[in-house]
Amino acid sequence: AQSVTQLGSHVSVSEGALVLLRCNYSSSVPPYLFWYVQYPNQGLQLLLKYTTGATLVKGINGFEAEFKKSETSFHLTKPSAHMSDAAEYFCAVSLPGIGNQFYFGTGTSLTVIP
Amino acid sequence: NAGVTQTPKFQVLKTGQSMTLQCAQDMNHEYMSWYRQDPGMGLRLIHYSVGAGITDQGEVPNGYNVSRSTTEDFPLRLLSAAPSQTSVYFCASSYAQGAYEQYFGPGTRLTVT
Repeated sequence: AQSVTQLGSHVSVSEGALVLLRCNYSSSVPPYLFWYVQYPNQGLQLLLKYTTGATLVKGINGFEAEFKKSETSFHLTKPSAHMSDAAEYFCAVSLPGIGNQFYFGTGTSLTVIP
Repeated sequence: NAGVTQTPKFQVLKTGQSMTLQCAQDMNHEYMSWYRQDPGMGLRLIHYSVGAGITDQGEVPNGYNVSRSTTEDFPLRLLSAAPSQTSVYFCASSYAQGAYEQYFGPGTRLTVT
């Protein structure tokens, strides 16, 4: 069965510090990988995704993530946190060739301390 | 483009009442889905559809029905609401399955008393 694990339901960083949000998945085949962000009282919006090709992908708002097949991970990073980054972040996977279901992690709430 | 729209934004039901959450998209997407979001549990898939006339169950389908008579619309029906269905409901759509991102609506916050 497919699963997505996000380590740390709450992460706090100081403004200007590195942001690292962890995501691991379990799958027998490499999945498609996504990070979404949810601001309070809003729907989810895509930050970035990995489908094929370069394993380091860049997204909006300065975020990037690296697909590491050997570690079954897709961690999200940003070099310098901004107050506006405070939100809930969800990692998601989709299995290629299998109709269709997305699986979401349980989310990580990011707090940015001024 | 309005994207994915959901109505209503808020709803309060009494136990046993029925209602339909509306979802529409104007992007000609084939794939649509319904999720519920509960604290600490992320998003759980309720039902999804890969095209008009085709629907399938997700992870938590009990207590919910769906139909897909047009490409644009994908309503979610609660036949007899229960307090356990208190949640925030999101509709999403994508061009197709697999590598394509999903676009989310703004959500419906449902409370069942």
